[in-house]
Amino acid sequence: GIQVEQSPPDLILQEGANSTLRCNFSDSVNNLQWFHQNPWGQLINLFYIPSGTKQNGRLSATTVATERYSLLYISSSQTTDSGVYFCAVISNFGNEKLTFGTGTRLTIIP
Amino acid sequence: DAGVTQSPTHLIKTRGQQVTLRCSPISGHKSVSWYQQVLGQGPQFIFQYYEKEERGRGNFPDRFSARQFPNYSSELNVNALLLGDSALYLCASSLAVTGGRNEKLFFGSGTQLSVL
Repeated sequence: GIQVEQSPPDLILQEGANSTLRCNFSDSVNNLQWFHQNPWGQLINLFYIPSGTKQNGRLSATTVATERYSLLYISSSQTTDSGVYFCAVISNFGNEKLTFGTGTRLTIIP
Repeated sequence: DAGVTQSPTHLIKTRGQQVTLRCSPISGHKSVSWYQQVLGQGPQFIFQYYEKEERGRGNFPDRFSARQFPNYSSELNVNALLLGDSALYLCASSLAVTGGRNEKLFFGSGTQLSVL
């Protein structure tokens, strides 16, 4: 099946810093979503972005489908941004179910 | 509008017991998916139901089963619990079958199952 790798696995930043999270996938996809899992376990859908660029406030995402990667940018980090960020994809050749990546654990220090 | 709701939030069972987890999707959503998330890992797909029919199954044993009701709510059943079944069980809803373009998943807060 499709492999989804995220980097870095862990990231610790001071409040106000910017960060870039990366998601690499091994096959062509028709669906890519970014999620934030807060410390209480709730998964929040941030972006649906199989290609192109989107922005929502301090967050933006870019997917370059031809090169099989996606980036999530977080600017002016706040402590509430802490948690685990997951990239999830659906392969064009798989069972059409979301496959989640390994996650990036982000910790924002006040 | 209410989001995806799951019950119970926490559950403790012993090996060999059976458990039923419940999920209500967002109003208007017809598809429900179940995921298992073991500590430190990403969620793993278990089942998807759409219009009360199973539309996909992940790599889980037959001890896991699910169903969807006419009001689109869903139950996940796990029989003969093992210690390794301890995990966060997440339910997600979408308008249609996940896999279609523009289909976003919305997750509930999950049920934390501990098997002792």
